[in-house]
Amino acid sequence: DQQVKQNSPSLSVQEGRISILNCDYTNSMFDYFLWYKKYPAEGPTFLISISSIKDKNEDGRFTVFLNKSAKHLSLHIVPSQPGDSAVYFCAASATRQTGANNLFFGTGTRLTVIP
Amino acid sequence: DSGVTQTPKHLITATGQRVTLRCSPRSGDLSVYWYQQSLDQGLQFLIQYYNGEERAKGNILERFSAQQFPDLHSELNLSSLELGDSALYFCASSVGGTDNTEAFFGQGTRLTVV
Repeated sequence: DQQVKQNSPSLSVQEGRISILNCDYTNSMFDYFLWYKKYPAEGPTFLISISSIKDKNEDGRFTVFLNKSAKHLSLHIVPSQPGDSAVYFCAASATRQTGANNLFFGTGTRLTVIP
Repeated sequence: DSGVTQTPKHLITATGQRVTLRCSPRSGDLSVYWYQQSLDQGLQFLIQYYNGEERAKGNILERFSAQQFPDLHSELNLSSLELGDSALYFCASSVGGTDNTEAFFGQGTRLTVV
């Protein structure tokens, strides 16, 4: 049973425009959410996170929004750059901990930024 | 480069066989985690070792086992392989054994069972 879902397998965006990647979860106990970025032939790398006590967290061009009532989070990338082309994984934790043994991952969304 | 090294990068083997995947953590990291990513699935946590001891267990099959050696490298052993075991296997490492630490992932081993 997939507790973290990324329903869009792929997304294409023009360079300079906004990329919005979506993630839904089913477990109301999740209280910490993370986004990872993965390039081909590399492992996932941590990008940005948000605690359930917040509804927004911003880091440069990356902003994560959390809607707890809808059990939905999104990652906004503005402006999108070709180097952002990668697979993005959403992950969630139920214990306010970010260690890798507590994470439930989505299936990923492949973002392509077109120059 | 995350500093986590996994070998081999690719592995093709037949059903019923046994394989060993190897992971060298980042220098100074004591924890090693193993994850499996099957087709169209998210990463699934399998097992964690901290300083040689098993720390946490996830959805790991009984046919699978792991260990962490005194030099802190880890091996994941997969036996009686089935077609459904074909997947990307990621290793990650972190400094601590407590859970509130960032983990760094290796590039993965792609296992194909034919």
